[in-house]
Amino acid sequence: GNSVTQMEGPVTLSEEAFLTINCTYTATGYPSLFWYVQYPGEGLQLLLKATKADDKGSNKGFEATYRKETTSFHLEKGSVQVSDSAVYFCALSSNTGNQFYFGTGTSLTVIP
Amino acid sequence: GAGVSQTPSNKVTEKGKYVELRCDPISGHTALYWYRQSLGQGPEFLIYFQGTGAADDSGLPNDRFFAVRPEGSVSTLKIQRTERGDSAVYLCASSLNPPSVDNEQFFGPGTRLTVL
Repeated sequence: GNSVTQMEGPVTLSEEAFLTINCTYTATGYPSLFWYVQYPGEGLQLLLKATKADDKGSNKGFEATYRKETTSFHLEKGSVQVSDSAVYFCALSSNTGNQFYFGTGTSLTVIP
Repeated sequence: GAGVSQTPSNKVTEKGKYVELRCDPISGHTALYWYRQSLGQGPEFLIYFQGTGAADDSGLPNDRFFAVRPEGSVSTLKIQRTERGDSAVYLCASSLNPPSVDNEQFFGPGTRLTVL
């Protein structure tokens, strides 16, 4: 079946620190992979995605590479800002695309 | 433009009562999805509509849960005989086209349901 495992939080970093949030997946077929972000009081927003192996998704300084050999899609950012404080969800889509499978979410707090 | 909206934002009810949760998708989006997010967990798929019909309801936990989308736009998630374990945030999402593997779903802010 399909599932996503991401590192547990919460994660607290100082501003300008390097961020990695690990995500690994199990899937049948060839899913697409996503990172969604949920800012306080807001709905889930797509942060980035990758649709096939070795693709790199990037947005707002965040990036993640679809690694089929390690079944991973780790989220990275070189220098976090206070405004990046949010909950980050790794997700994959089913073969049909109508179901998303989400990880449990990782809460990030960036302190000045 | 307007995003996905959900009402109410919060709903408190008593065990055994009936509740309805409403979702207004982005105008023109043909696909609509419901998810449930329990505390400390990621969203879990409940049901997917393409137009007026439920194309995949495999995530509904039991027959107390039902959803409709009679005119292919607004959807209502209905929960009968609520139980304390139904307490969660119920998320709605919509997408422009029928799902494909890289389709983006746009999420609403959710309805927080608390069953006392």
